[in-house]
Amino acid sequence: DIQMTQSPSSLSASVGDRVTISCRASQAITISTYLNWYQHKPGKAPKLLIYDASSLQSGVPSRFSGSGSGTEFTLTINSLQPEDFATYYCQQTYNTPFTFGPGTKVDIK
Amino acid sequence: EVQLVESGGDLVQPGGSLRLSCSASGFTFSSYIIHWVRQAPGKGLEYVSAISSDGVGTYYADSVQGRFTMSRDNSKNTVYLQVSSLRDVDTAVYYCVAARSGRGAFDIWGQGTMVTVSS
Repeated sequence: DIQMTQSPSSLSASVGDRVTISCRASQAITISTYLNWYQHKPGKAPKLLIYDASSLQSGVPSRFSGSGSGTEFTLTINSLQPEDFATYYCQQTYNTPFTFGPGTKVDIK
Repeated sequence: EVQLVESGGDLVQPGGSLRLSCSASGFTFSSYIIHWVRQAPGKGLEYVSAISSDGVGTYYADSVQGRFTMSRDNSKNTVYLQVSSLRDVDTAVYYCVAARSGRGAFDIWGQGTMVTVSS
């Protein structure tokens, strides 16, 4: 199985901050750009933000962006908004099982 | 409106069984691969299983292989997850998710149904 790691595991930020979350695939083989990012709020369904490493899902604000390929990926949130406080997960869809990272919780400083 | 609605979650004793259902509307269900993802209390997202758009192919994570079975009825826009030989560690919210292709991102999520395994 491809193991996904994320850093940091949590962070505190203020409205207006720029936030960067890293995700790494921990195998020698690369996952190309089969990497997706999701936002998850308690009691809600997870929401797709970024697919194929850098494509913005329809309806998602442009302050969200993704980059990377191979084994190293990044999610950036420019000018954090109050509704962005949530847990963010990366996921690889290169090989089954389509594993998720452990999540990064973004809370209010 | 595009949506997936799960049902069937319940409190069940260890060793018991349940059938979870996932009903779709607002999109061409028969063209989508359907996955199940679960989240145990206080934990992250865990990939569980998948079924191909035509229902012929299935995949199961090692943690549920031999105990969980997916099926679908495209005439009813519904997917089923039969969960058997349940263990405490299967306690989780189970999400039904739709993807457009085999390696596609999970772009349609249900609200989840809670399965609690406890004596």
